[in-house]
Amino acid sequence: RKEVEQDPGPFNVPEGATVAFNCTYSNSASQSFFWYRQDCRKEPKLLMSVYSSGNEDGRFTAQLNRASQYISLLIRDSKLSDSATYLCVVIPADSNSGYALNFGKGTSLLVTP
Amino acid sequence: DADVTQTPRNRITKTGKRIMLECSQTKGHDRMYWYRQDPGLGLRLIYYSFDVKDINKGEISDGYSVSRQAQAKFSLSLESAIPNQTALYFCATSDTISGAPNEQFFGPGTRLTVL
Repeated sequence: RKEVEQDPGPFNVPEGATVAFNCTYSNSASQSFFWYRQDCRKEPKLLMSVYSSGNEDGRFTAQLNRASQYISLLIRDSKLSDSATYLCVVIPADSNSGYALNFGKGTSLLVTP
Repeated sequence: DADVTQTPRNRITKTGKRIMLECSQTKGHDRMYWYRQDPGLGLRLIYYSFDVKDINKGEISDGYSVSRQAQAKFSLSLESAIPNQTALYFCATSDTISGAPNEQFFGPGTRLTVL
């Protein structure tokens, strides 16, 4: 079983819609959580970190539920430019892995006019 | 100028050839990583390095080797390329503040095809 699981989608939504992505992780000792965005044939880039208290950055809201080992990303008022693959990322608690990122396979979003 | 660069950006080679992928960074980060990305499998860690004298295997190191020639340079070698090493390869860097992991910055990727 992969450590980080995501619904691969694709999610096809109209402009202006609200869309939510979910992610679960298997290592209860994981310490850091992120959402990365990857455009087609490009490198992943950090979208936002995910904190236990939840955090918001403009139209994007990230939530962490440690008890359920569950992370979410909510995008409000979707724009065409939001079309991309969203990667859920978890960093294990131990430093032996060099804090290398554990990636989910990604959720594909297509926002249509 | 990009902070993390990779060369070559695209490479087509034949089975059995030795290939080297290079990564350079100007961010001054101590940690560097090599990942590969395959359709349907996501990104997986090949090797990582904490500093010049530190090299560690990742999840899928078999068939690969690395060299950290300087803090800013981390190269990945395929000693004898095989077709299932066809993938998109990413180099990444990060630093640590107070021992905590920080954002990783990725290079633009190298698309490798092994025939």
